[in-house]
Amino acid sequence: AQKITQTQPGMFVQEKEAVTLDCTYDTSDQSYGLFWYKQPSSGEMIFLIYQGSYDEQNATEGRYSLNFQKARKSANLVISASQLGDSAMYFCAMRERDQAGTALIFGKGTTLSVSS
Amino acid sequence: ETGVTQTPRHLVMGMTNKKSLKCEQHLGHNAMYWYKQSAKKPLELMFVYSLEERVENNSVPSRFSPECPNSSHLFLHLHTLQPEDSALYLCASSQDRVRQTNYGYTFGSGTRLTVV
Repeated sequence: AQKITQTQPGMFVQEKEAVTLDCTYDTSDQSYGLFWYKQPSSGEMIFLIYQGSYDEQNATEGRYSLNFQKARKSANLVISASQLGDSAMYFCAMRERDQAGTALIFGKGTTLSVSS
Repeated sequence: ETGVTQTPRHLVMGMTNKKSLKCEQHLGHNAMYWYKQSAKKPLELMFVYSLEERVENNSVPSRFSPECPNSSHLFLHLHTLQPEDSALYLCASSQDRVRQTNYGYTFGSGTRLTVV
């Protein structure tokens, strides 16, 4: 079973509009971390935002916020006021806590296209 | 230099060649990772090195051979590859802390590998 599910292969939005990218996850750990990364066409993965499973507030970083619904196991990324430069692939990822060297597990990604 | 540097950026190799990918990090991190990114697939974790010891090998074929001579350098040695091994190979590093989840990765820009 997939640990991270991103159900939207592609999303289209106009400049200045808000967009929500969906992510659901599956874990039996009580302590885990959730991440979103952006990958432009250049290939580099850029960290956007982090949410810890025990964090009571939704994480925010500038125009990015994470809509964390623990009971539903969802961690959707909200981008407010989209810009042309936001066009990229977006990946949701999770780290479970218990093992040394535990690596991030990634979803398949969502391609976001922002038009003017 | 700062961050995570991968060389070469692009590589074309024949199925009988031997080549190596190099990754170098200048962040003082103690864990390094190789991921494979193929079209329309999630990032696949290949190898994890934590404190210079390999802690995970996700059933990667033996034609891929990692080497981590110190905490700053990571190599991926390639030999007798197949066309389906063509992909973007991403290196990442992190400061690994057991039983904590809030540390993300810093990624390199990747090596785009084409096997002909």
